[in-house]
Amino acid sequence: QVQLVQSGAELKEPGASVKVSCKASGYSFMNYYTHWVRQAPGQGLEWMGVIYPSGTETSYAQKFQGRVTMTRDTSATTVYLELSSLRSDDTAVYFCAREVPDSKYFDSWGQGILVTVSS
Amino acid sequence: QSALTQPASVSGSPGQSITISCTGTTSDVGGYNSVSWYQQHPDKAPKLIIYDVSNRPSGVSSRFSGSKSGNTASLTISGLQAEDEADYSCTSYRTSRTYVFGTGTKVIVL
Repeated sequence: QVQLVQSGAELKEPGASVKVSCKASGYSFMNYYTHWVRQAPGQGLEWMGVIYPSGTETSYAQKFQGRVTMTRDTSATTVYLELSSLRSDDTAVYFCAREVPDSKYFDSWGQGILVTVSS
Repeated sequence: QSALTQPASVSGSPGQSITISCTGTTSDVGGYNSVSWYQQHPDKAPKLIIYDVSNRPSGVSSRFSGSKSGNTASLTISGLQAEDEADYSCTSYRTSRTYVFGTGTKVIVL
């Protein structure tokens, strides 16, 4: 069955970078889009961006432009999210989610990764 | 990039129907039939329950239905059940290959 398994929780200091992963299985990884969505404690979901099957084409929310990088390793069926210049308000659970190409909805989600930014 | 507007909470008694609104602009909700809804229980990942405004994925109860009028989309839960108590979020495609989520609504079953 379709599974998106994310890496473990992270604790980072302000100003640092974090790189988290999302490993896909149960489907043809290369043919799907992968999005990243975050949720701060007690807050709503926030779309961060998407990486397309090419692996080089991405689209990021304006809010994160310049601080976010999404990459993928096709052989490992894994997508990565790197966020730099971390601030305390980046503390959140980060989810990866799959999109069937051009469907414009997210049909499968990872379990989420808690990233805590604190000194 | 403002979030779509949803009520903070909606409540209802078992068996009743409730409706959650999701208001955007002509650049997102009003401009595309690409509104989807997600149910999220505490400490769980979101689950897709409605896509393309009004379509239900396989396995999702027919008690969930969606609609749209102008810049406002709506999710209706009929025959409310205790298990429906959760957070609900809408999302819409927005211009320039971006997406925007709603502020989220907590459904309380009285």
